[in-house]
Amino acid sequence: NAGVTQTPKFQVLKTGQSMTLQCAQDMNHEYMSWYRQDPGMGLRLIHYSVGAGITDQGEVPNGYNVSRSTTEDFPLRLLSAAPSQTSVYFCASRAIGGPTQNEQFFGPGTRLTVL
Amino acid sequence: QKEVEQDPGPLSVPEGAIVSLNCTYSNSAFQYFMWYRQYSRKGPELLMYTYSSGNKEDGRFTAQVDKSSKYISLFIRDSQPSDSATYLCAMSGGYSSASKIIFGSGTRLSIRP
Repeated sequence: NAGVTQTPKFQVLKTGQSMTLQCAQDMNHEYMSWYRQDPGMGLRLIHYSVGAGITDQGEVPNGYNVSRSTTEDFPLRLLSAAPSQTSVYFCASRAIGGPTQNEQFFGPGTRLTVL
Repeated sequence: QKEVEQDPGPLSVPEGAIVSLNCTYSNSAFQYFMWYRQYSRKGPELLMYTYSSGNKEDGRFTAQVDKSSKYISLFIRDSQPSDSATYLCAMSGGYSSASKIIFGSGTRLSIRP
């Protein structure tokens, strides 16, 4: 049981480049989400999904796209990277409903630098 | 005003001390309250989870919720150097799949040997 996995661990991009951050979970969780963490700002929700084929925007969605074709995978795409997107990105998952509803599990993070 | 406010610290205490970490919030709809621990360069991990008001104890950790004051606390007894980490409070409104979890900005804690 690997939990939530993310790749890559580190990435450096130039302004304008695009890339996809990968996220996978093996806990059969319906809910998956992407956060960015910046100093003094805490964790801010970018996009989330409540199941395959269903996605919605979070607090800071601009410049990011997501899709959810399977329960396990939830990739985050940066369309045209900007220096303001330099951050640490965390993927998370949790069950929907039941006593574990709010027990969210996080991946190890991807450190992204945009030059 | 942020929905969840947390003093960023840093907080430095000697080994063995009792640590008190706190958050305030503004949304009275929050019913589920969580504390996450995040070691440097790692993802957050769930430490404590409580529902509504009251106390919950787990080993050296006690989580306390006062909904009337919109104030939650995490107490660490007999603190150890291994407790050095950033602690994030988090809260949510309910069981609905649309209920988002809102995080505080985190308090950096350092336990001096």
